[in-house]
Amino acid sequence: TQLLEQSPQFLSIQEGENLTVYCNSSSVFSSLQWYRQEPGEGPVLLVTVVTGGEVKKLKRLTFQFGDARKDSSLHITAAQPGDTGLYLCAGPGFGNEKLTFGTGTRLTIIP
Amino acid sequence: NAGVTQTPKFQVLKTGQSMTLQCAQDMNHEYMSWYRQDPGMGLRLIHYSVGAGITDQGEVPNGYNVSRSTTEDFPLRLLSAAPSQTSVYFCASSPLPLLAGELFFGEGSRLTVL
Repeated sequence: TQLLEQSPQFLSIQEGENLTVYCNSSSVFSSLQWYRQEPGEGPVLLVTVVTGGEVKKLKRLTFQFGDARKDSSLHITAAQPGDTGLYLCAGPGFGNEKLTFGTGTRLTIIP
Repeated sequence: NAGVTQTPKFQVLKTGQSMTLQCAQDMNHEYMSWYRQDPGMGLRLIHYSVGAGITDQGEVPNGYNVSRSTTEDFPLRLLSAAPSQTSVYFCASSPLPLLAGELFFGEGSRLTVL
């Protein structure tokens, strides 16, 4: 089983600050996805990164896939209360028929 | 746009009771899956299906059964509920190949087993 570990598990910061959360594995992934989940709802896809070293930007969110395709990071600039949620990374398992999720980072932005 | 619909949203069971969590999608997705979400453990895959008539086990399949008689429906059955099955359950679907797009999730079903 390929494991994805996310850090930190919890993060609480003031509105306007910058932050980075991490997704790490000892295994190589062909791609990684990032999802955000709000209370009472299912996760929603934010981005998919597929190439080692790839950087994707989604407004104030910047996603990076590690060169060795074993890790990824999510950087948020000038965090807003609307960024509050559970951030999950996910990667394909053997045969690309299973998606393995990380343990998640619960982010709280304080107004 | 219905997307992925799960019922019921909330359920309380006694130990040993059986029940079925329903999942339906109207996007004609080949792939469907069930996850459970527990605090500090992320989402863990229970069972999945790559098409009608085909199912396979995920990480934590024990105590759960599934079937896929149609493309649209993928019910999850608990044959004899145990307190360890208290969790929030999510159904998700996707077109194939799995990583060409995204997983679309339902809103979840919160199950409590007493």
